[in-house]
Amino acid sequence: GNSVTQMEGPVTLSEEAFLTINCTYTATGYPSLFWYVQYPGEGLQLLLKATKADDKGSNKGFEATYRKETTSFHLEKGSVQVSDSAVYFCALSGTGGYNKLIFGAGTRLAVHP
Amino acid sequence: DGGITQSPKYLFRKEGQNVTLSCEQNLNHDAMYWYRQDPGQGLRLIYYSQIVNDFQKGDIAEGYSVSREKKESFPLTVTSAQKNPTAFYLCASTPNPGQGKFSTEAFFGQGTRLTVV
Repeated sequence: GNSVTQMEGPVTLSEEAFLTINCTYTATGYPSLFWYVQYPGEGLQLLLKATKADDKGSNKGFEATYRKETTSFHLEKGSVQVSDSAVYFCALSGTGGYNKLIFGAGTRLAVHP
Repeated sequence: DGGITQSPKYLFRKEGQNVTLSCEQNLNHDAMYWYRQDPGQGLRLIYYSQIVNDFQKGDIAEGYSVSREKKESFPLTVTSAQKNPTAFYLCASTPNPGQGKFSTEAFFGQGTRLTVV
């Protein structure tokens, strides 16, 4: 079945460091891919998405490229801020007629001044 | 403003007691979902509903029940049969584009933290 694998956290960085959070997926067909962010005590918010191969999603300085050849959707940011501290979830949509979102385990990011 | 409202934010349950978590949306979305979040395990799907008066079990439905009598509402009942209910519960909704690939974002509520006392 479909699945998502994320790098384990926590990831601890200093402010202005470069961020990469790895995400790989297993799916039949051509899923859409998402990154969601969860701030402490809150629900999830969509950070960015890509709906087909080679698409690049971007938002708030974060980027991720849909790589079908490596089944990956790694999240990157060139210069992190303390306010980026949160848990990041990679997700894919179910292919076919049902809109099921499948999530990775989440990666906690802590950014220190 | 459109969105999803979950209540209460915190809920305490005694052993053997049923409790109901509320989820209401005013986004006119067809599909609604309940997820359970445990530390280090990501989100697991409990139940989902694509249309009023219809719902399906997700990956961990045992010990839970739902209803979908109105488009706007999708309450989750945690029954006494759920042996380990302490967790963070998230409700979400999406439009339902029908057959084909889903590319629309899901909107989430703020969550309900349930604790067994």
